[in-house]
Amino acid sequence: ETGVTQSPTHLIKTRGQQVTLRCSSQSGHNTVSWYQQALGQGPQFIFQYYREEENGRGNFPPRFSGLQFPNYSSELNVNALELDDSALYLCASSHAGARGYNEQFFGPGTRLTVL
Amino acid sequence: QKEVEQNSGPLSVPEGAIASLNCTYSDRGSQSFFWYRQYSGKSPELIMFIYSNGDKEDGRFTAQLNKASQYVSLLIRDSQPSDSATYLCAVNRGAGANSKLTFGKGITLSVRP
Repeated sequence: ETGVTQSPTHLIKTRGQQVTLRCSSQSGHNTVSWYQQALGQGPQFIFQYYREEENGRGNFPPRFSGLQFPNYSSELNVNALELDDSALYLCASSHAGARGYNEQFFGPGTRLTVL
Repeated sequence: QKEVEQNSGPLSVPEGAIASLNCTYSDRGSQSFFWYRQYSGKSPELIMFIYSNGDKEDGRFTAQLNKASQYVSLLIRDSQPSDSATYLCAVNRGAGANSKLTFGKGITLSVRP
């Protein structure tokens, strides 16, 4: 069974630029959630993708957007980067099945630094 | 009031002791509860989840849930230095495809050899 993978591992961008982060979900999972974790804080929910559509969004501006592909992999795009966007970006995959209490498993994360 | 609160840390216990980590939540509609462990520089790793009142045991870990009092706790028995990490409590209000985790800030546990 393949776990959740993310790329790239690290990224350095300058303010105003755009960035795309990628995530491959765990085998058998159909839902991908994205989180932002600032230093010393818990992860904050950005949005979730299910069946290639956004299915719930946290308190993040529209310049945070995403996609989910037919193979359930996903992208997170951030436009007009700000210094405060520097954080660890985590992708979590899960299976939205009949049981309902679906556990979310995290990938290794992408560390984004905005200068 | 924060949605998910974890008691202030850091927490330090001697090797072999029981570590008790607590978490309270504000949304009475929350349905399932998760504990993640996060080593420094790494991503969160799922330890346990619980959704019914009472205790759930898995090896040295026991999760306890009290929905009436809106708290969930994690007990680590026979603590080992390898348990030293930040422990994140997460609460899920939804279910199925509407699951969204709300995390606490985390509590750092240090197990002294």
